[in-house]
Amino acid sequence: DAGITQSPRYKITETGRQVTLMCHQTWSHSYMFWYRQDLGHGLRLIYYSAAADITDKGEVPDGYVVSRSKTENFPLTLESATRSQTSVYFCASSVGGTSYGYTFGSGTRLTVV
Amino acid sequence: SQQGEEDPQALSIQEGENATMNCSYKTSINNLQWYRQNSGRGLVHLILIRSNEREKHSGRLRVTLDTSKKSSSLLITASRAADTASYFCASHGAAGNKLTFGGGTRVLVKP
Repeated sequence: DAGITQSPRYKITETGRQVTLMCHQTWSHSYMFWYRQDLGHGLRLIYYSAAADITDKGEVPDGYVVSRSKTENFPLTLESATRSQTSVYFCASSVGGTSYGYTFGSGTRLTVV
Repeated sequence: SQQGEEDPQALSIQEGENATMNCSYKTSINNLQWYRQNSGRGLVHLILIRSNEREKHSGRLRVTLDTSKKSSSLLITASRAADTASYFCASHGAAGNKLTFGGGTRVLVKP
C-alpha cells in the first residue's frame, strides 16, 4: 500500500538470532500496530503504539520488542528467534479514534529455521 | 482467543451470484470493520459500521450489524472473479483503539 512500507518482504533466519522487521508510514498517523498472521489463528495483535514513545502489548507480545522514537517508524524486533515465530507479519497504521479503519503494509514473511 | 468468528470459513460461488458471510463477536464494540485480503497481500479496508448503525452500503457491499446478537454480515452483490479473496471482520472494542480480527472467510468466485 502506498504510504506504509514494510521491509524486508521475505526473511529467513536461524533459531536464536535477532531479527528486526521495519515499518514506515508517511501519513503521520498516530497509531501503529504489529500483527502476525498464522493459519488457524487469523491475525493476532503483537504490539501497538498510540504515539511516539508510547507502546503497549497486544495479545501475543512474548519474544518481541518494539520501539517508536519517531512517529513514522515502528520496528519490531525478535530478540531470539524461535521456530514458532515463523509467520507473516503485518504492520498497520491508523489516524485513531473510532471512525477510521487501518491501512496495512504488504507484510513480511519470516521463516525461522 | 479471537474476538470475532466468521462463518462460513470458505465459500465458492459463480460470477454474478451474491456472497454472504457472517461474523460474531464477544464484547461491546465501538465499530465493526470488514477487510479484504488478496493472496499474498496486505489487508485492505472495505467498510466500517458504527455500533449505532444497523446497515451500511458501499458500492456492491452491504454490511449489517446486530449488536443485540453481537453479529454482523457482509453481502457482496453481483460477484466478480476479482472478488476472490479472504474477507475478515474486525471488531473495535469499546475500550482502547485496537482491532480484533476474526479468522476470515475465503471466497472463490468462479468465472
